[in-house]
Amino acid sequence: NAGVTQTPKFRVLKTGQSMTLLCAQDMNHEYMYWYRQDPGMGLRLIHYSVGEGTTAKGEVPDGYNVSRLKKQNFLLGLESAAPSQTSVYFCASSTSGSTSYEQYFGPGTRLTVT
Amino acid sequence: AQSVSQHNHHVILSEAASLELGCNYSYGGTVNLFWYVQYPGQHLQLLLKYFSGDPLVKGIKGFEAEFIKSKFSFNLRKPSVQWSDTAEYFCAVIKYGQGGKLIFGQGTELSVKP
Repeated sequence: NAGVTQTPKFRVLKTGQSMTLLCAQDMNHEYMYWYRQDPGMGLRLIHYSVGEGTTAKGEVPDGYNVSRLKKQNFLLGLESAAPSQTSVYFCASSTSGSTSYEQYFGPGTRLTVT
Repeated sequence: AQSVSQHNHHVILSEAASLELGCNYSYGGTVNLFWYVQYPGQHLQLLLKYFSGDPLVKGIKGFEAEFIKSKFSFNLRKPSVQWSDTAEYFCAVIKYGQGGKLIFGQGTELSVKP
C-alpha cells in the first residue's frame, strides 16, 4: 500500500513549455486534489475531483488543467509554463462522506520555471 | 473573504518549553478542523482533527487542540516541545458540505533549539 505517489519529484521547465504531473493513489479514494505550496501562503487548492470523470476548479485554477480518467489517477497539466508557476505541488486524496474528509498527501513535486 | 488565519509565522522555542499556535477561521456554520505538520523535506501529515463531540482533541506525538466555537478558534498546544518537533504547522478547515475542500492557513514555522 503505497498511499499517494507523485511523478516526477523534481522538474525544471523553460517558460512556455508544457508538462503533466501524475498523482496516483491506491486507497480507492473518491476525492482527489491538487495544491500548490508557496512560502507564506500555505497550500492553495488548484483543482479537485469528487469522482472518476469529474473535475472542478479550486482557489487558483488559472494556467492549469486536470483530468481524472481513472479513479486512481489525477493528472495536473501546465500547457504553457510561467515563472509564477514555480512552486511545490502536492496531490492529496480522501474518501467521500461527511465524516471522512481526512486528506492523505503525496510527497510533492518541486517545479521550477525559468 | 472567508479564510483561515495563523497568527504566528515563525516561532522559536527551547526544548521543554510549552507551545501554543493560534488558528482562527471566519466560516459560519458547521466546520471540520485539522492540524497538519510538515517536517523538513517531507509531505504533510495529519496531527489531529476535530469533527464533533469533545472540543479538546488529542493527536499524535503529544499534541492537542481545543475547538472554541464562540471564538472561531482551533489552537494547537503541546506542553513540552522537543527538537524533533521542528517543522511547519498548518491549520485547515473544511466547511460542512463543501465537497471536502480544505482551506489552509498560511502556516507557522516552529524552530526548537536543543
